[in-house]
Amino acid sequence: DVKVTQSSRYLVKRTGEKVFLECVQDMDHENMFWYRQDPGLGLRLIYFSYDVKMKEKGDIPEGYSVSREKKERFSLILESASTNQTSMYLCASSSGTDYNEQFFGPGTRLTVL
Amino acid sequence: GQNIDQPTEMTATEGAIVQINCTYQTSGFNGLFWYQQHAGEAPTFLSYNVLDGLEEKGRFSSFLSRSKGYSYLLLKELQMKDSASYLCATLDSNYQLIWGAGTKLIIKP
Repeated sequence: DVKVTQSSRYLVKRTGEKVFLECVQDMDHENMFWYRQDPGLGLRLIYFSYDVKMKEKGDIPEGYSVSREKKERFSLILESASTNQTSMYLCASSSGTDYNEQFFGPGTRLTVL
Repeated sequence: GQNIDQPTEMTATEGAIVQINCTYQTSGFNGLFWYQQHAGEAPTFLSYNVLDGLEEKGRFSSFLSRSKGYSYLLLKELQMKDSASYLCATLDSNYQLIWGAGTKLIIKP
């Protein structure tokens, strides 16, 4: 059974803290993605990666960075958390084909106080 | 620009049929996805259309008209467990997914 896991389901942090969100997939997928999801808005792409050590900015990369040191792991980093980064964060992965079905992790609900 | 429109919320009755529409304007088109997302959970894949026409998969069917920039998801014999949000997304010319805001479907007994 395909699986994408995220390190935490719920996280509460304070403004200014550095936050790490971890995502691991066991499907040997080349592509990995980080989204945030807010009420009334569609999924918005923060960063994605097509290969190890490779990263590309999505639609809303400001305030975030990522790391992909191993194929199965893609980390999202909030260098200095702010209250407007309170959101649901979803990680996804897909194989390296054009038909890009994405498999999602359970999500991390981050609250920044 | 890129835009995907779908209704914010719909209500239907258990056992009935409901059609959720999605219209899109994207830079290039390489197919359209429908995902289901239950409250507090991750989206899960329902269907993918790249050619015009209707694709049927059990109680769920998805239709695409590329010339009209239009798709719909048809759910038959509605069950209470179908209460969820339904997300429409298109693959643009860079093979990036562009997501709609989702349609929250409420099923009443």
